[in-house]
Amino acid sequence: SQQGEEDPQALSIQEGENATMNCSYKTSINNLQWYRQNSGRGLVHLILIRSNEREKHSGRLRVTLDTSKKSSSLLITASRAADTASYFCATGSNQGGKLIFGQGTELSVKP
Amino acid sequence: SAVISQKPSRDICQRGTSLTIQCQVDSQVTMMFWYRQQPGQSLTLIATANQGSEATYESGFVIDKFPISRPNLTFSTLTVSNMSPEDSSIYLCSAGRDSPNYGYTFGSGTRLTVV
Repeated sequence: SQQGEEDPQALSIQEGENATMNCSYKTSINNLQWYRQNSGRGLVHLILIRSNEREKHSGRLRVTLDTSKKSSSLLITASRAADTASYFCATGSNQGGKLIFGQGTELSVKP
Repeated sequence: SAVISQKPSRDICQRGTSLTIQCQVDSQVTMMFWYRQQPGQSLTLIATANQGSEATYESGFVIDKFPISRPNLTFSTLTVSNMSPEDSSIYLCSAGRDSPNYGYTFGSGTRLTVV
């Protein structure tokens, strides 16, 4: 079963703009992870934030986590056409290390 | 991080037949999982592949339909049995450490079409 919701479901922006995607979840977590999936390909791990962290950066990526609201956001700054992909949040818990994925956001960056 | 080789990358199968998907990791990993992804949808966890013992299945998935093997720490197979068109999907394996500090690596997926 899916853990939660992501919004927006689809996002279209111009190159150079920032893209923000949101993720909400329902249960307690150890960590929250973001993955990217290019069309028809496997998933690539982008960034992980632990439940005791509030913000994390990696290159052009910024992730925030609010455990009181059970929500997270992924910000991609200065987007590029190559960022066009689907982005999924996934939550990890104490239940055997498995990940539960959100519905995903389809990002389109136009050159 | 680990590198995963998943085979086949795609297949077209007749209904009623079975297909076995292989997942080979280039290093020993604690955790291996199998997911299904319907076209345009998110990933649904099928099961956790346990080394040397029976897989742990999620609600809605059963061993008779999706038998899984994991003979060692680097290899697992998922079989889709007695296929029907509803089994047409992308199947992905993932692997990694049993730690809350690390993400997982995914295979490139197997695109299955049942006709």
